Amino acid sequence: GAVVSQHPSRVICKSGTSVKIECRSLDFQATTMFWYRQFPKQSLMLMATSNEGSKATYEQGVEKDKFLINHASLTLSTLTVTSAHPEDSSFYICSATGRQGQETQYFGPGTRLLVL
Amino acid sequence: GNSVTQMEGPVTLSEEAFLTINCTYTATGYPSLFWYVQYPGEGLQLLLKATKADDKGSNKGFEATYRKETTSFHLEKGSVQVSDSAVYFCALSDPSNTGKLIFGQGTTLQVKP
Repeated sequence: GAVVSQHPSRVICKSGTSVKIECRSLDFQATTMFWYRQFPKQSLMLMATSNEGSKATYEQGVEKDKFLINHASLTLSTLTVTSAHPEDSSFYICSATGRQGQETQYFGPGTRLLVL
Repeated sequence: GNSVTQMEGPVTLSEEAFLTINCTYTATGYPSLFWYVQYPGEGLQLLLKATKADDKGSNKGFEATYRKETTSFHLEKGSVQVSDSAVYFCALSDPSNTGKLIFGQGTTLQVKP
């Protein structure tokens, strides 16, 4: 149980285009989803917290107009990197918790984004 | 503030060696503590967790005990395998109940046959 999937696993795009990454909880309802960014050989940096049906809460320094997050259902959250640039190239990972306040986060396998 | 500090890697061991990866934390309140493992090119997997002082989390031969007096949650395994090679992250839950996790910087473990 507690499986989280991400799609796509890898994406290459041209500078200036937008890329959408999906995060799904496959066997549980995720009231809260988190989006992280991970640079090579570094820890995870929390970008935003997303609760179903409400606006995402962004961490300091994360541009909300650049990284659009939608959490329209209890099993799906999307991250759209708008007008991507090479510096946006990274590993993006989502996680989900099953109910409000639950502590254990279940992570997706990650999406590798390369912007040319 | 709340923070997690892990021993710097990489840690290189021979197969069947004993493993310890140190993790200490600073937190207000009473967080839960976690170890996550990340295999190359993959996301994080929960390895084990402990929710209160003196709890021991264990899974797949790995263990960690929540030590409030030393604010530590060291990861141990008696006999490592090549397949244990990965990056290990210690984390604590935000004591203010936001659901956020605060991660350490990660420790790379390389096990050689």
